[in-house]
Formats: sequence, structure tokens, C-alpha cells
Amino acid sequence: GAVVSQHPSRVICKSGTSVKIECRSLDFQATTMFWYRQFPKQSLMLMATSNEGSKATYEQGVEKDKFLINHASLTLSTLTVTSAHPEDSSFYICSPRSDTQYFGPGTRLTVL
Amino acid sequence: LAKTTQPISMDSYEGQEVNITCSHNNIATNDYITWYQQFPSQGPRFIIQGYKTKVTNEVASLFIPADRKSSTLSLPRVSLSDTAVYYCLVVSRDDKIIFGKGTRLHILP
Repeated sequence: GAVVSQHPSRVICKSGTSVKIECRSLDFQATTMFWYRQFPKQSLMLMATSNEGSKATYEQGVEKDKFLINHASLTLSTLTVTSAHPEDSSFYICSPRSDTQYFGPGTRLTVL
Repeated sequence: LAKTTQPISMDSYEGQEVNITCSHNNIATNDYITWYQQFPSQGPRFIIQGYKTKVTNEVASLFIPADRKSSTLSLPRVSLSDTAVYYCLVVSRDDKIIFGKGTRLHILP
């Protein structure tokens, strides 16, 4: 199956700092990337959909200026959490669109 | 809105067959049905995908009736390591992918 990687797997940062999460599709090219976040004991919640070379589409309630998404190439998309606060602590998961939808291993963000 | 409805939780015992049913009344012609397994602090793992009738792979079977308004994931002879959350998704190539609440399966010894 398709391999999707995320880096870092976990990160702890201070409130007010920015954190970048990378998502790579290792064996196929993806023009579209889905970004999700997941709070404890809850389901995955779609944050935004990014398309290579164009602006991302954000779901209602997700601040586009806070969660910056860049999809610069067909194998790499990044999510930057700007000025992170404790309430941004969550599990972030990416998924490049493909015929069979695979998901990254996730990034655990903890904001102190 | 999620396109699917599943039981919130299920319990079963090791060695039993487990069937998890998912309701997707508004499934569209282009939609596929896909099931995922998720362990804590991991991304969802693909289990099986189907369009209609029955699909079987090395880990599960997927039963889809003719009207496609529901589907059943069948896990044969479960073990303790099958304790996880299982998500049923209705996916089309052109649409975003929305998760429902999933089914929390607990396997007992």
C-alpha cells in the first residue's frame, strides 16, 4: 500500500511559538492533501484540503491564518501551526488523495 | 456532516467473529465504502474497500447489499490486538473525506 510519512512524530513547544508539520507521500504523487486533527477519544476532524500549487480550502471554524498549509510539490505538504496555544494541542494527521485513501502516522503536538 | 452511522461501541471475545454494520443511506453512485482501523496515537490503517456485493482480503470481509445503503465489516476470529476504533467511510474520488464517530471495539479474553 501507499506509504505516507509525517515529521515530526511528536513535538512539544511553548505557547506562542510556531510549529511546522511535514507530510510526505513516499511512493505516489498527490495533487490533493487532507489535513485532520483528532482530540482524545474523538474522531478525526477535517481541517483543510490543500491542492498542489494553489491555496488550501479550510473547513468552517478553522482559522486559515493560524493553520498555514503549503502544498509546494506533489509529494510534500506542510501544516504550520502559528502562535500555538495549549488548546491547539492535538493529534494531526495527513492523508494524500489516492484511489485507496491512506493516512499518515500522525503528529502529536503538545503546547505548554 | 458524516455520511455514515455506526454503533458507538461493541464488545466481543477472542476467537469470535465480529460484525460491525455501518449505515450510509445517502450513498452516491460514485462512492466507495472503505473501512479503517485506528489504534491510539496512530493514523487510521486501511482494512478493506468495496463498491458492492462482497469483498474479502487476508484480514476481513466486507458485505454490501444491493441497495448499498449499509455495509458490514466482518472480522474472523478476533484477538486482543483487534481492540481498536473502526471507521466506515463513504469515499468518492472528487469529494472530501469526512469521518463519522467510529465504533470502539473491545475484545475480551
